[in-house]
Parts: sequence; structure tokens; C-alpha cells
Amino acid sequence: EVQLLESGGGLVQPGGSLRLSCATSGFTFSTYAMSWVRQAPGKGLEWISVIYGGDSRTYYADSVRGRLTISRDISKNTLYLQMNSLRADDTAVYYCAKHESLQSFLDSWGQGTLVTVSS
Amino acid sequence: DIQMTQSPSSVSASVGDRVTITCRASQGIANWLAWYQQKPGKAPKLLISSASTLQSGVPSRFSGSGFGTDFTLIISSLQPEDFATYYCQQANNLFTFGPGTKVDIK
Repeated sequence: EVQLLESGGGLVQPGGSLRLSCATSGFTFSTYAMSWVRQAPGKGLEWISVIYGGDSRTYYADSVRGRLTISRDISKNTLYLQMNSLRADDTAVYYCAKHESLQSFLDSWGQGTLVTVSS
Repeated sequence: DIQMTQSPSSVSASVGDRVTITCRASQGIANWLAWYQQKPGKAPKLLISSASTLQSGVPSRFSGSGFGTDFTLIISSLQPEDFATYYCQQANNLFTFGPGTKVDIK
């Protein structure tokens, strides 16, 4: 059974940093693309970053490029999101999600972790 | 960037009703489209991939169709557990979600 468990969320001041983690199990982590998707309170889903299996290519949404960095530790089966220069509009629930074999769609999701950016 | 729109933004329906949700891409995306269901406080769930492929375990009352720029999700006979928000997502050029369609009880 695929399991994804996010951690690391919390309250951070504007301009601060935070690192989210997503511990995975139940599949060959190195093979699959993984994404981070966020959802601001009462709003819709926003894809923010992907790291592909195999060559570890990374891509970002314009809204976070240059401030957020996706990475993974294959030895720990863990996905990360380093978040720097945080702003109030980064406040959201952050989900990690596994892509299916076509690397296009998100077939497994974590429960999410809340990041609140506020002074 | 590819933009996604959905209509309606919300729909009130009764159990047993047929519900149709449409999704439009700002440019052609072939069949690189998925539909997700999200209930309050929960993570999204993948219902349909590649525009029309029903995921394992998803009831057959859900169906998807479309190609290019226009797509449709149909719930043929709405059940109590189907009241939720539905999102489309394109995967032709990175990934973009539509704004969502909330299905609530009439």
C-alpha cells in the first residue's frame, strides 16, 4: 500500500524559511515522479513543483520559482520542499503526491501539512 | 502556460440527479486530463485519468470524455457520498488545475 506522510508545517514569519518532508513507502520511490500541491484556505488546488524519477529533473510554478526547492533522498524514500523568503500568500495546506506511471496524473496523496506565514 | 476553466463553479443537485461538469483548456492538451474529487478536510482523490480512464475502485456512475480543449465529467446518478468539489487537471505542459466545481445538496 502506498503511503505518503508530510511533516514540517507550522507558523513562520514573513521572510522566514521552512522545510517540509514527505516520507513515503509502498512503492519504488526512485522510479516515480513526485509533486507538491498546495491549497490556500478556502481556495482551489495549485500545483507548485515536480521532481521526476530517474533523472531528477525539477520544475516549478512561476509563483514559487526561486523561493522553493524540491529535492529527494532516495536512501530515505523521502521528498522535501525547502521554502525560503516566505510570504503571507504562501499560507496553505501543502500536499505531496505521487505521479502514476505516465508521470502525468497524481494517484496517491498525503494528508497535507499546514504552513501559516504570519507575524 | 495552459489555463484551465471549469463550469459551473457550483451546482446544487439532489440524490439521483445527473450532474455534468465541463473543463476547458486554453490550448489543446490531447487527452492529458484528469479529474479529482475532494471532500472537506481531505486530500484529493484521482477519479479519471487520460480524460476517460476510470481509476480502479471508482464507481461506474462517473465518466469522463473529451479531447483537445473541451472535457466533461458526468455523474450519472448522484449519490450522497458524491457531494464534494471536483477539479480537472491538465498534464500536457507541466500541470495546472482548474478552479473547481462544488457539488452540494439542493
